[in-house]
Amino acid sequence: KQEVTQIPAALSVPEGENLVLNCSFTDSAIYNLQWFRQDPGKGLTSLLLIQSSQREQTSGRLNASLDKSSGRSTLYIAASQPGDSATYLCAVGLEGTYKYIFGTGTRLKVLA
Amino acid sequence: NAGVTQTPKFQVLKTGQSMTLQCAQDMNHEYMSWYRQDPGMGLRLIHYSVGAGITDQGEVPNGYNVSRSTTEDFPLRLLSAAPSQTSVYFCASSIQQTTEAFFGQGTRLTVV
Repeated sequence: KQEVTQIPAALSVPEGENLVLNCSFTDSAIYNLQWFRQDPGKGLTSLLLIQSSQREQTSGRLNASLDKSSGRSTLYIAASQPGDSATYLCAVGLEGTYKYIFGTGTRLKVLA
Repeated sequence: NAGVTQTPKFQVLKTGQSMTLQCAQDMNHEYMSWYRQDPGMGLRLIHYSVGAGITDQGEVPNGYNVSRSTTEDFPLRLLSAAPSQTSVYFCASSIQQTTEAFFGQGTRLTVV
């Protein structure tokens, strides 16, 4: 059974720091991985989508990498800002199915 | 462009009552899905649909029914509400399962 783990569960950093969020999954039979942002009381917003054949995707200050063979993905946030404070979730799409499995998220707080 | 719209935003039910959570998207997406989000457990897939007239079960389908009579709408029915169904429910849609997912703002359901 696919399990998705995100460590740490919570992270607090000063403004301006570069930081890395981690996502690991137990089964490499995935067709893609998505990173999402969730603000309190809100829905999820897709940040980056990496197909299984890709190694990384970039959008502005965000960079996500995927190492399918080792079951790991990282989300790199450059020059963090207080507006980046949110919960970040990763989700893997299971090969041969129409299903996504989500991690429990990392709650990020960027201090001004 | 409204995206994914969920109604209601908040609902309190008594045990044994039934209700329908509404989800509509205006992006002509084929793939739609329902998740529930519980503290410490991440998002779990309830049901999904790959197109009008086609639905299937996710991880936690018991106690819920869905139908997809049109591309735009994907309602979730609670047949006989139980306190264990207290949760935040999210509807999502995408062009296909392998593309970026768009989420609604969620419905916070409390069953007493």
